[in-house]
Amino acid sequence: QVQLQESGPGLVKPSETLSLTCTVSGGSISGYYWSWIRQPPGKGLEYIGYIYSSENIDYNPSLKSRVTISVDTSKNQFSLRLSSVTAADTAVYYCARQPLGRGMGTFDIWGQGTMVAVSS
Amino acid sequence: QSVLTQPPSLSAAPGQKVSISCSGSSSNIGNSYVSWYQQLPGTAPKLLIYDNNERPSGIPDRFSGSKSGTSATLGITGLQTGDEADYYCGTWDSSLGVVVFGGGTKLTVL
Repeated sequence: QVQLQESGPGLVKPSETLSLTCTVSGGSISGYYWSWIRQPPGKGLEYIGYIYSSENIDYNPSLKSRVTISVDTSKNQFSLRLSSVTAADTAVYYCARQPLGRGMGTFDIWGQGTMVAVSS
Repeated sequence: QSVLTQPPSLSAAPGQKVSISCSGSSSNIGNSYVSWYQQLPGTAPKLLIYDNNERPSGIPDRFSGSKSGTSATLGITGLQTGDEADYYCGTWDSSLGVVVFGGGTKLTVL
């Protein structure tokens, strides 16, 4: 049973960089798309981007200038960095798995989510 | 403003059937598979339907999905109080180059 767990600071100061890690347990990180999705308080879901390998990464164009997603296969982890954060980046951040061979909007396994607040 | 349009809220009685709509365009729903998610209060979204009408293992057949043109629909029959949740549709938008979601529908089971 594959499980995902997000970890990272719950509070980030404005203009600084948000950093989160998602640990994949119960299965290999290889062979899947791994994504980040966020949800501002009381609002809907926003796709941030995915990583398949170090050479196959894609970002939401609206966030592309500030986002970096990376993978560490030796630790079965992938990470999110979002720079120059503002209060608008306050959200619950989810990591999720996108299985191959399904529509790109398919996320079959999700982490529990981690709340990140941007405040001084 | 979400790219995909869902009704903000719906309500129905236990045992009844409800349909949740998701309206898009030719650059998203019209040319891509649609997925549906259930988000119970305080929890992560859960995949209910993928590829328009496929159910993952463990999802009861009370949940169904369909697509016609640039719209998709999630159907839930035999409503239970445990179905009270927010429901989201999602798909790929080829013009924006990103996965897009609907704004969500809050389902109340009275």
